[in-house]
Amino acid sequence: RKEVEQDPGPFNVPEGATVAFNCTYSNSASQSFFWYRQDCRKEPKLLMSVYSSGNEDGRFTAQLNRASQYISLLIRDSKLSDSATYLCVVNILTGRRALTFGSGTRLQVQP
Amino acid sequence: EPEVTQTPSHQVTQMGQEVILRCVPISNHLYFYWYRQILGQKVEFLVSFYNNEISEKSEIFDDQFSVERPDGSNFTLKIRSTKLEDSAMYFCASRRGDRGTEAFFGQGTRLTVV
Repeated sequence: RKEVEQDPGPFNVPEGATVAFNCTYSNSASQSFFWYRQDCRKEPKLLMSVYSSGNEDGRFTAQLNRASQYISLLIRDSKLSDSATYLCVVNILTGRRALTFGSGTRLQVQP
Repeated sequence: EPEVTQTPSHQVTQMGQEVILRCVPISNHLYFYWYRQILGQKVEFLVSFYNNEISEKSEIFDDQFSVERPDGSNFTLKIRSTKLEDSAMYFCASRRGDRGTEAFFGQGTRLTVV
């Protein structure tokens, strides 16, 4: 089983749509969770950290379910500029402590 | 805003040559990383560095790879004898701590081995 698993997409949605991405992780010792965004041929940039109680930042909402080892990202009112690859990133407490990346989910927002 | 800087942005090298990729992490960060991303594939961990030594490395980071922090600011990745399959984007990252803190990435060095 992959350490961090994401649906690769692509998700093609119209402007204004709500879209949700899911991610599962295999190591129950995972401690910290993040969503990063990566534009084509650019570096990953932090979108938001994911907290146990769930958190929201403007149009973006992240949820964590530790029991199911599942993380989600919801984007409301999609903009053209949201088109990118969204990376689920996990920090495991034991073993490899560096950030572990999922393969990413590609989002294409269409006019 | 502080940022991680990498040089060069693009390097073309012949197979078998040595390359050194350079990074200047954010100044008050303590943990440094190299990741790579082959075109169209996921971001893969190579190595992490803390307190002037390697703290962990992946199976990709074999004897051909080495890292160094020669002075207080630069963090380098050396590939001794490049192979075609080393062609990738190499990202340097730094973090303030190793738990719960985000990693900041440099803009990457695109390495092309011909």
